Order: sequence, then structure tokens, then C-alpha cells
Amino acid sequence: EIVLTQSPATLSLSPGERATLSCRASQSISSYLAWYQQKPAQAPRLLIYDASSRAPGIPARFSASGSGTDFTLTISSLEPEDFAVYYCQQRSNWPRTFGPGTKVDIK
Amino acid sequence: QVQLVESGGGVVQPGRSLRLSCAASGFTFSAYGMHWVRQAPGKGLEWVAFMSYGGSDEFYADAVKGRFTISRDHLNNTLYLQMNSLRPEDTAIYYCAKDRWNYGGPFDSWGQGTLVTVSS
Repeated sequence: EIVLTQSPATLSLSPGERATLSCRASQSISSYLAWYQQKPAQAPRLLIYDASSRAPGIPARFSASGSGTDFTLTISSLEPEDFAVYYCQQRSNWPRTFGPGTKVDIK
Repeated sequence: QVQLVESGGGVVQPGRSLRLSCAASGFTFSAYGMHWVRQAPGKGLEWVAFMSYGGSDEFYADAVKGRFTISRDHLNNTLYLQMNSLRPEDTAIYYCAKDRWNYGGPFDSWGQGTLVTVSS
């Protein structure tokens, strides 16, 4: 099973600041990584798939990069609605696995 | 637009069974792979099961293999998860999620979830 680790666990920032989230895989997953956003009491929402492709309707302030084992999600300037938990997920192998999440909260 | 509506959750005793349903609309259900993903209270996301668009392939998380069965009904555009021999650690919100493609893509649409509580 591919294990995904995310860092930091919590990121405390102010609106307008830049957020940089990291996801590392226990083995190479090529570019088969997705990022999801989850707000309290809501279902997750797909942000990014295949490491760097934005899902339809996702604002341009969300960008991502990486391949192999190291991946990054960047939010260029935090909006109030961006404070949430972010999960990475690999689709290279079965079983599909998620990282433990990074919580972006308001400083 | 895509809509996924889960149902069938509730409180069940350990060792008993439960069947979850996910009614799909707004897309050609038979053309897409489908997943179940769960989230224990206050915890992260855990992928549970997948069925390919035609139903020929299915995959399971080790934690549920041999106890849970995924299936789909293309006449009624419904995804199912049959859960047997339930354990307290199966307590979670269960989401159905649509695959972006017909097989093994990211999860591009999610239902609102249904809560399963396994407790005596």
C-alpha cells in the first residue's frame, strides 16, 4: 500500500497570504496525485488531478506541481473560503490512499 | 448537473449487516467508475471500494475485503455497498464518489454522505 504523508499538519495563515502544502508518497506514483478540499460538515471537493490539472470551476489561485514522490499544492492568496482541510490522494495503485490532511486555519 | 444521494445509514449492532445505496443522476451512470469513501468521526478520508463502469472489476480496501461488496444497477442508476460483519471501527460517514473517467480516475463528484454507526 502506498502511504502518503502531508505537511504541515496545520498551517495558520491570514487572508491574502500564500499557502504551500506538501504531500510525499512512500514510492513513486508518477503524476497520479489529486488534491481535495473539505470544509466542515461538507463532502470533499476535487481541486487538482494528475498532479497539476485544475478541476473544472476551480479558481486559478490554486496551483499544484510535482511528480514521483514529492508534490505541492499552492494557494497564491488565501480567500476567506479557502480555510479548510486539504487531502492528497494517489491513483497509481490499488488500494487508493489518502494523506492524513493539512488543516489551513485563520491566524 | 451531477447528483449523488446516499441512503441506508443508521445504527447497527456489531456483527450485523447494512446495505447502503447511492442514487446517481445528471450523468451517464453506466459510463463511469464509482467509489465508496468513508470518514470516521473527526478523522481523515479512507477509500473503501471501487467498481468499474461496466461492473467487471472491483477493488477493496484491506480493512473491508471479504466483508463488504460493491455493486451497481444500471437500470436504476444506483450504486450499492453491502456491509456484512460490521465492526465498531466501521463507524463513519460513507460517501459515494464518481470517477472522473470510466476506470480509476480521481473522484470528481461526491454525495453528501450517510452516517453508519456500529454500536451495541
